[in-house]
Amino acid sequence: DTGVSQDPRHKITKRGQNVTFRCDPISEHNRLYWYRQTLGQGPEFLTYFQNEAQLEKSRLLSDRFSAERPKGSFSTLEIQRTEQGDSAMYLCASSRSGRGEQYFGPGTRLTVT
Amino acid sequence: SQQGEEDPQALSIQEGENATMNCSYKTSINNLQWYRQNSGRGLVHLILIRSNEREKHSGRLRVTLDTSKKSSSLLITASRAADTASYFCATDAAGETSGSRLTFGEGTQLTVNP
Repeated sequence: DTGVSQDPRHKITKRGQNVTFRCDPISEHNRLYWYRQTLGQGPEFLTYFQNEAQLEKSRLLSDRFSAERPKGSFSTLEIQRTEQGDSAMYLCASSRSGRGEQYFGPGTRLTVT
Repeated sequence: SQQGEEDPQALSIQEGENATMNCSYKTSINNLQWYRQNSGRGLVHLILIRSNEREKHSGRLRVTLDTSKKSSSLLITASRAADTASYFCATDAAGETSGSRLTFGEGTQLTVNP
C-alpha cells in the first residue's frame, strides 16, 4: 500500500494560464475524490469518481475546471484560465465503495500570480 | 459551504493533558469522521463513528456522537507534542451512498507544548 500520490506538489502559474494536476489513488480503491482547501479552512468537496464515472460535481466546480479518470485509475484535474482566487491546496483522496474513510494525498499547492 | 462548526478554533495545552474538541453539524448523517492535518500537508483519517453509535475508542482517542444535538466530540488523552496539528470533523450525509462527499468543519488547531 503505497498511499495516494499527487503531482506536482507545488505549482506557481501566471493568471490566465492552464494547469493540470495528477492524482494516483491507492490501487484497490475504486472511488477518487478532489477537494480544495484554502488557508485556515477545512477542505471543500469538488468532485468524485467511482471507477471512471464522474458521479458528482460541486457547484464550486466552475466550467473552467474539468476532471477525468479515463481508465478508472489515476485522475487529472485541469484548471483553465487560472484566476488568483484559484490559489489553494488541491487534495485528492481515495476509498473503497461502502467504506466511509477516505485516504488523502499530500496535496498540490497552487499559487496564481 | 462548510456544514460543521468546530470549537474551539484553537487550543493550547501542556504535554500529558487531555484535549477535547467539539463539532456541530446541520444535516442528518450516515457517519462522522475525524481527521488530522499537520501543517501544510494531507489529511490523515483518525476515526469514524456511525450514526447509530454513541461512543468509539481508538488508542488514545475517544469520540462521542449525539445525533439529537447534531454534535460530536473528540478527546485525545495524555497528549504528546506530536499531536500538534489541525483536527477536522467531516460528515457523510444521510440520503447519499456512504462513501460519497465529505463535508468538513473549519478545524481546531491544537498545540501541545513540551
